Amino acid sequence: AQKITQTQPGMFVQEKEAVTLDCTYDTSDPSYGLFWYKQPSSGEMIFLIYQGSYDQQNATEGRYSLNFQKARKSANLVISASQLGDSAMYFCAMRVPYSGAGSYQLTFGKGTKLSVIP
Amino acid sequence: GAGVSQTPSNKVTEKGKYVELRCDPISGHTALYWYRQSLGQGPEFLIYFQGTGAADDSGLPNDRFFAVRPEGSVSTLKIQRTERGDSAVYLCASSSLAGGSDTQYFGPGTRLTVL
Repeated sequence: AQKITQTQPGMFVQEKEAVTLDCTYDTSDPSYGLFWYKQPSSGEMIFLIYQGSYDQQNATEGRYSLNFQKARKSANLVISASQLGDSAMYFCAMRVPYSGAGSYQLTFGKGTKLSVIP
Repeated sequence: GAGVSQTPSNKVTEKGKYVELRCDPISGHTALYWYRQSLGQGPEFLIYFQGTGAADDSGLPNDRFFAVRPEGSVSTLKIQRTERGDSAVYLCASSSLAGGSDTQYFGPGTRLTVL
């Protein structure tokens, strides 16, 4: 069974500072994909960034980067230059398997509530 | 283009009633997923469609829950004999391909309240 753990229920960050949101995962399958989603108070899940288990480099998308440490089974999200609009819930998710047969369902963590302080 | 849409945005019903929740995926997306998100939790998988068929319904909690996608586009999640524990936000997502870096795009959800 797959499991995602997000140990920070809430985080605060000063506007314009960087923040790291933690995510650890557990799977015995060598092939998997890791995702981060943002959920503002409006409720919609917004895709931020993706990392495949075989990707050699850490993923980056604008102000978002993923600190992927395979041996530690961690996939932390780094948000640089925080903005007030970054205040939201952030969810880490995993899909196993990465490709081939399977349902491709996402397994989510419980999320981290990020609050950006002006 | 248009994203995933879900109707209604809110649904209040009484215990024991039947409800239908609709999802309209992104045009051309063959894969469609339903998730349920309870308060303070991450979304939990319910069912996955590839085209018209349910490829994986292992997340449906019991036989009161059923979903269809008859023409491979719009999907309806059906809940019979609703219970108070069914209260949650029901999220639908779609993707163009199943596998690899394929990204699931979510709709705004339907908030179901069972009184």
